[in-house]
Amino acid sequence: GNSVTQMEGPVTLSEEAFLTINCTYTATGYPSLFWYVQYPGEGLQLLLKATKADDKGSNKGFEATYRKETTSFHLEKGSVQVSDSAVYFCALRVAYGNNRLAFGKGNQVVVIP
Amino acid sequence: DVKVTQSSRYLVKRTGEKVFLECVQDMDHENMFWYRQDPGLGLRLIYFSYDVKMKEKGDIPEGYSVSREKKERFSLILESASTNQTSMYLCASSFLEGSETQYFGPGTRLLVL
Repeated sequence: GNSVTQMEGPVTLSEEAFLTINCTYTATGYPSLFWYVQYPGEGLQLLLKATKADDKGSNKGFEATYRKETTSFHLEKGSVQVSDSAVYFCALRVAYGNNRLAFGKGNQVVVIP
Repeated sequence: DVKVTQSSRYLVKRTGEKVFLECVQDMDHENMFWYRQDPGLGLRLIYFSYDVKMKEKGDIPEGYSVSREKKERFSLILESASTNQTSMYLCASSFLEGSETQYFGPGTRLLVL
């Protein structure tokens, strides 16, 4: 079935460092892909998305490119801030006809001043 | 702004109690979802609904039921709470077609003693 795999473990880095969070997927067809972010004490909110191969989603300095050949959707940001500390979830749309999503396990990102 | 509200941020219940978690959205969304979030497991779908009085099981429906009597409201019911249902519960909503974005509430942290 359709599923998403995120890299293991939390990510700790210094302010202004480069951030990469890996996400790979298994799917039939070409599902839409998403990154959601959860700030402390809040629900999830959409960070960015891509709906077809080679699309690049971007928002708040974050980017991710839908790579069909490597079945990946890695999240990157060139210079992180303390305010980027959050949990990041990769997700894909499971099926057409409803908007059910399958989520990865999430990565805690801690940015140290 | 889309708003998804959940009836409680924190809830403490005893084993065997019947627990109701309420979710309300104000965007006229057809789809509504209940997830639970646990460390290391990410988000797992419990139930979802694509219309009033319609429901479908997600990945972990055991021990839960749902009710959708009105379009804007989706309730999660724990018939007889158990300690392994201690978790963070997140509600989300989305349109049935078109935009795939799911909008999340702030979550209810449930502790079952």
